[in-house]
Parts: sequence; structure tokens; C-alpha cells
Amino acid sequence: SQQGEEDPQALSIQEGENATMNCSYKTSINNLQWYRQNSGRGLVHLILIRSNEREKHSGRLRVTLDTSKKSSSLLITASRAADTASYFCATAFTGGGNKLTFGTGTQLKVEL
Amino acid sequence: NAGVMQNPRHLVRRRGQEARLRCSPMKGHSHVYWYRQLPEEGLKFMVYLQKENIIDESGMPKERFSAEFPKEGPSILRIQQVVRGDSAAYFCASSPEAGNTEAFFGQGTRLTVV
Repeated sequence: SQQGEEDPQALSIQEGENATMNCSYKTSINNLQWYRQNSGRGLVHLILIRSNEREKHSGRLRVTLDTSKKSSSLLITASRAADTASYFCATAFTGGGNKLTFGTGTQLKVEL
Repeated sequence: NAGVMQNPRHLVRRRGQEARLRCSPMKGHSHVYWYRQLPEEGLKFMVYLQKENIIDESGMPKERFSAEFPKEGPSILRIQQVVRGDSAAYFCASSPEAGNTEAFFGQGTRLTVV
């Protein structure tokens, strides 16, 4: 089955709330990257976390990585309507260079 | 420093025609990756190229699809004799190194086969 499965598939929250998305993968990785995609648009790179890192922050984003469980989470704090988008995790597996394997994504909707 | 540039943004082809998708990587990036995204799905890897070389084409269909990244000019993804199932968004990404760095994506080319 596909590496990089996101959970949940869809998430609807109110503005100001936190949003948490999870990603699981199967093989050994060099890094895991999170991307955002607005409807019909390209991908925007959010954060890269390497296999020897456990947590990373960027503004309102917090990413964790647990290589023993082969899972990662993306937390968006104090969400805004503009955060409405699809969020994908992508893994670069060991020996694969920067070739990325994407999950199916979480559709986040932030309502006013 | 312009980002990854893809053109055209939208492309309509009739069944049996050829589609040519172009990708200019970010300045200083010599590694290019092509991905395909079907509606409501994640991106699927197709091919990885470094200047003049195909490094990994494990995601590329065996027939009708080809890719190149010449010494000069953009990378080209070519689809011959397109069929309706080829309708998708095709994204290109580039990176400065072979591994463990961010990949930056273009806006994609949306191919519609009618």
C-alpha cells in the first residue's frame, strides 16, 4: 500500500482553533516534508524534518517526527481561514535522493 | 530568483495528439523531478533527471511517455498519442542537491484530453 498516509482525510475547524494532521509511512526515510496545496494550485513547501530530528517549528507550524513509530504530525496553531487547503506529507526514503512519495492528503477547512 | 516555472499552465489536447510540458528549474538547481496528480489524489512520482541524464524513471509509464533535461533549456515531459486517462495535473520540482533538501514545486500544467 502507499507510503505516507495522512489522517484524517478531512478536517473542519473554527478559526482560532488548532489543527492536527498525522502521517504514517512504511520504509526508512532521510526526511519527511509537509506541503500545502490550495485548490487547483501548486504545492507550497512548509517544513522539512530530517530523520535525526524530532521536532521543528516554523511560525504557527509545529512538526514532530517519530521514526520508531514511522509517523509524523503537523500542528497548525491559531488557525485562520487562509489556512484552508489540502496538506500533504511526503517522504524521501533512504537511498532515493529527493524522490518524494506523497500521501493522499488531509483537506483542512477553517471556518469563520 | 524566480521559482520553478512550468508552461503552459493549461493544455488541451485531442486524443491521439502529443503533449509537451516544460519545466525550468530554479536557478542553480540541476535536479528535476516530475509528478502527476489525478483529481482528488496525492502526487505520484514519475521521473527524476539531472542535467542530460535520467536518474530514476521508475514511475514513468513504459509507453508514450518520455522526459529529457538537456544541457541547455528546460526539462520536457512528452506524452505521445494522449488518451483521456492522461488528463491530470503534472508538477515539476527542482532541488540543488541529490538528497536531503527541500524540493520546490512549480504551479503545474493541467492537461485535459478531449
